[in-house]
Amino acid sequence: AQSVTQPDIHITVSEGASLELRCNYSYGATPYLFWYVQSPGQGLQLLLKYFSGDTLVQGIKGFEAEFKRSQSSFNLRKPSVHWSDAAEYFCAVGTSGTYKYIFGTGTRLKVLA
Amino acid sequence: KAGVTQTPRYLIKTRGQQVTLSCSPISGHRSVSWYQQTPGQGLQFLFEYFSETQRNKGNFPGRFSGRQFSNSRSEMNVSTLELGDSALYLCASSLGASGGASEQFFGPGTRLTVL
Repeated sequence: AQSVTQPDIHITVSEGASLELRCNYSYGATPYLFWYVQSPGQGLQLLLKYFSGDTLVQGIKGFEAEFKRSQSSFNLRKPSVHWSDAAEYFCAVGTSGTYKYIFGTGTRLKVLA
Repeated sequence: KAGVTQTPRYLIKTRGQQVTLSCSPISGHRSVSWYQQTPGQGLQFLFEYFSETQRNKGNFPGRFSGRQFSNSRSEMNVSTLELGDSALYLCASSLGASGGASEQFFGPGTRLTVL
């Protein structure tokens, strides 16, 4: 069965520090991969997506992610975190033909001033 | 272009009642998906509609149902509410032709509280 794992429930970083959020997936074929961000009381906003091609994907708000097939990973990175990045981040896998996403359990990011 | 809208934003119901939530997708989007978000279970897929047809359904009891209208607007209904149905219900729309490969755009959600 398809699954998505985000091993870190909470991460705390200082403002200006670099960030990496981990995401591992389980799926037999090449998945469609997404990172979303959710601020408190809000819906989900798409940060970036990977469908095919270049394995390093650039997104909004200075985020990027790298697809590594050999490790079944799609980690999200940002070189310098801003206080406004504090939110919950979700990794998701979409599969053609199933018409749904499978979400990870999320990583809550706290940013220290 | 207007985003996905969900109404109402907040609802308080009592056990045993039923509730209907509404979702209006982005203009031109034909797929609407529904998710339940709770602190303990995270984001769980409820169902997906495309051109008024349900294409996939998650592992929820039959008390949860949905439908889609010809203008792509969608409603979901929960009958005989239980305390455990308290959650944020999120609607997402997409162009939908590629199913799970389509980028989904989420609404702000409806916060349902069951007392």
